[in-house]
Amino acid sequence: AQSVTQLDSQVPVFEEAPVELRCNYSSSVSVYLFWYVQYPNQGLQLLLKYLSGSTLVKGINGFEAEFNKSQTSFHLRKPSVHISDTAEYFCAVSRSNDYKLSFGAGTTVTVRA
Amino acid sequence: NAGVTQTPKFQVLKTGQSMTLQCAQDMNHEYMSWYRQDPGMGLRLIHYSVGAGITDQGEVPNGYNVSRSTTEDFPLRLLSAAPSQTSVYFCASSSTPRTVVRGPYNEQFFGPGTRLTVL
Repeated sequence: AQSVTQLDSQVPVFEEAPVELRCNYSSSVSVYLFWYVQYPNQGLQLLLKYLSGSTLVKGINGFEAEFNKSQTSFHLRKPSVHISDTAEYFCAVSRSNDYKLSFGAGTTVTVRA
Repeated sequence: NAGVTQTPKFQVLKTGQSMTLQCAQDMNHEYMSWYRQDPGMGLRLIHYSVGAGITDQGEVPNGYNVSRSTTEDFPLRLLSAAPSQTSVYFCASSSTPRTVVRGPYNEQFFGPGTRLTVL
């Protein structure tokens, strides 16, 4: 079975500063990787996904993530955050032949002016 | 399209009561699933379905039942609620690619959630 570890539970950051959210996974088979965002009192929305190909993946709202197979990591980055990026972010993984997603515990990002 | 809808939005139950959380989607998606979200634990898969009449257990199925009689609906039943089932419940759906390589690389769309409290 695969598992996901999000290394930071809370990340405070100032507006217009860069942010990186760290995600490591473990799996014995090839995987697909995802980042979801959950704004307060809402459901989850897909930010980006890695299925194959280029290891640098660009998503919505200026986010990007890099897949590193040797490090088994899929860190999420944004060069300049806005107040509206305040949310909880989830890293998720699935085996490439499976529908089921395994989620990390989440990282709460709080952007301050 | 309304997307994925869930009712109710909030619910308070007493221990031992039963109830059904409703989930519906209007995107003709074959794959539907239920997750529960608890602080510090992310989302955990309860049950899922790959089509009408087909359901299977996820990571935390105990205490929950599901059925899938239509493509659109995927209700989650709590037969005898327990305080440990206090959580936020999310339903999700996605289309399934009709290719040899099957996987959820079609985006899963999530509903707005149901916040359940069991006293």
